[in-house]
Amino acid sequence: QQQVRQSPQSLTVWEGETAILNCSYEDSTFDYFPWYRLFPGESPALLIAIRPVSNKKEDGRFTIFFNKREKKLSLHITDSQPGDSATYFCAASRPGSFNKLTFGAGTRLAVCP
Amino acid sequence: AQTIHQWPVAEIKAVGSPLSLGCTIKGKSSPNLYWYWQATGGTLQQLFYSITVGQVESVVQLNLSASRPKDDQFILSTEKLLLSHSGFYLCASRVGERLFFGHGTKLSVL
Repeated sequence: QQQVRQSPQSLTVWEGETAILNCSYEDSTFDYFPWYRLFPGESPALLIAIRPVSNKKEDGRFTIFFNKREKKLSLHITDSQPGDSATYFCAASRPGSFNKLTFGAGTRLAVCP
Repeated sequence: AQTIHQWPVAEIKAVGSPLSLGCTIKGKSSPNLYWYWQATGGTLQQLFYSITVGQVESVVQLNLSASRPKDDQFILSTEKLLLSHSGFYLCASRVGERLFFGHGTKLSVL
């Protein structure tokens, strides 16, 4: 059973548009949700993260919107740039379980100039 | 700043052959270390984690084993490779809530 689901599997947007990447989860005890970004040929790197105490986390052009009741979150990338083209992974962990991080399958984003 | 070195960069192995992948962490003492596996185009599946020398916890069974022989070293191995072992293997170290990944080893099992 996939505990963290992402959609869409791939997404193409034009430069300047807002890309919306979705994530949902099964386990209501998850309390930490990081997003990792993977550029081709590189290692995944932490982009932004949120905890359920907040329903929004913003960092520059990247914003996480969190809906605890529906167990959904989304990553919004405003003013998308070609350099944002990458695979984005949503992940989740339970309280005190930083050693077990569950990743979704990823969304492959392509930003066309 | 810590650095994570994985070796080899890539391997092509035959089904049934043994495998050993290595990971060395520099710049951080007593790191929490992790092995992740990514099938082509797939998710990052956590395989093992280790919080100290000699202690390894398995997260998912894939006919693989791991060992932590030194504080700065994490080894992933198997005696008999399966076709399903193909993919990308990433070693990671945790600093606070953030995972830092190595550049990975690409494994092709033929």
